[in-house]
Amino acid sequence: RKEVEQDPGPFNVPEGATVAFNCTYSNSASQSFFWYRQDCRKEPKLLMSVYSSGNEDGRFTAQLNRASQYISLLIRDSKLSDSATYLCVVNTLFGNEKLTFGTGTRLTIIP
Amino acid sequence: DADVTQTPRNRITKTGKRIMLECSQTKGHDRMYWYRQDPGLGLRLIYYSFDVKDINKGEISDGYSVSRQAQAKFSLSLESAIPNQTALYFCATSGQSSYEQYFGPGTRLTVT
Repeated sequence: RKEVEQDPGPFNVPEGATVAFNCTYSNSASQSFFWYRQDCRKEPKLLMSVYSSGNEDGRFTAQLNRASQYISLLIRDSKLSDSATYLCVVNTLFGNEKLTFGTGTRLTIIP
Repeated sequence: DADVTQTPRNRITKTGKRIMLECSQTKGHDRMYWYRQDPGLGLRLIYYSFDVKDINKGEISDGYSVSRQAQAKFSLSLESAIPNQTALYFCATSGQSSYEQYFGPGTRLTVT
């Protein structure tokens, strides 16, 4: 089983719609969680951290469910510029700060 | 100017050749990383360094070596390139915590 698993998509969503992605992780000792965004042929960039209480940044909401070992990302009122691959990222090793990246979920916003 | 730069951006080389990928950063970060990205496999860590005197293997270090020449420079070498090392290579840096990593633009390497 992969340490971090995501649905690869693609998700093709009309502009203005709401879309949600989930990601599961296998190590119950994982401590920190993030969503990175990667545009086509570009480098990944941090989108947002995911806190236990859930957090929001504009149109983006991230949630963590430790009991079920999954995190989610919700994008409201999607824009064409949201088209990208979204990487679920987990800090899996206690005391050794190393990020493990999921393979990504590809999102395309359709005009 | 970009905070993390990588050279070359694209490289085609032949099997058996030695090749070096270079990474420089102006962020003043101590921690640097080398990843490779392959379709369907995501980003995988090759080597990482938490300061100039510290080098650690990642999950796929076989066939690679690194050198941390200075705080700002971290190079990746393929001593004898093979076709399955064809991939997109990223360098990244982070501050005291590894949580937010800043990536370079990537090097697309093709081994024929």
